[in-house]
Amino acid sequence: TQLLEQSPQFLSIQEGENLTVYCNSSSVFSSLQWYRQEPGEGPVLLVTVVTGGEVKKLKRLTFQFGDARKDSSLHITAAQPGDTGLYLCAGAEGAQKLVFGQGTRLTINP
Amino acid sequence: KAGVTQTPRYLIKTRGQQVTLSCSPISGHRSVSWYQQTPGQGLQFLFEYFSETQRNKGNFPGRFSGRQFSNSRSEMNVSTLELGDSALYLCASKQGASGNTIYFGEGSWLTVV
Repeated sequence: TQLLEQSPQFLSIQEGENLTVYCNSSSVFSSLQWYRQEPGEGPVLLVTVVTGGEVKKLKRLTFQFGDARKDSSLHITAAQPGDTGLYLCAGAEGAQKLVFGQGTRLTINP
Repeated sequence: KAGVTQTPRYLIKTRGQQVTLSCSPISGHRSVSWYQQTPGQGLQFLFEYFSETQRNKGNFPGRFSGRQFSNSRSEMNVSTLELGDSALYLCASKQGASGNTIYFGEGSWLTVV
């Protein structure tokens, strides 16, 4: 069974600070996705990474896929209250169903 | 184009009843998957359908079932509801059978009392 572990589970920081969220597994994934979910809504896709070592940037968010395609990180620069939400990583090996991490609940305080 | 649409958004049921949730995928998407989300267990995979056939199934009891229609719309049914079935049920779609990037609807909030 593939498992994805996210850390930290909860993170509360002040506006303007930087942060990194991690997504780790012992399994190799063909691709990995990051989603953000706000209360009462469904997860919204942020990015898909496919190649080992790949780095993708989305404004103040930087996503990296590990060289061995077993882990990923999400770095947010100068966090803003609008970044508050549940961040989920999801990976799959081949055509199998996606496996989701438990999520990181991020709170950015003004 | 319109996103994934789920109905109803909110519903309250009594233990022992059954419920049917509906999902319309993004236009042109033929794969639909269902997830249950609870605070304690996170997002758990229920099943996936492609071209009216169930391709994958998660570890849920037989009370949870689903189907997909020829227009790719999908429904899931939960029979003999239990208090622990209270959750956000999320539907997601993707274009083809392969590929792993899925797009979620807003979910259906089910409360069992």
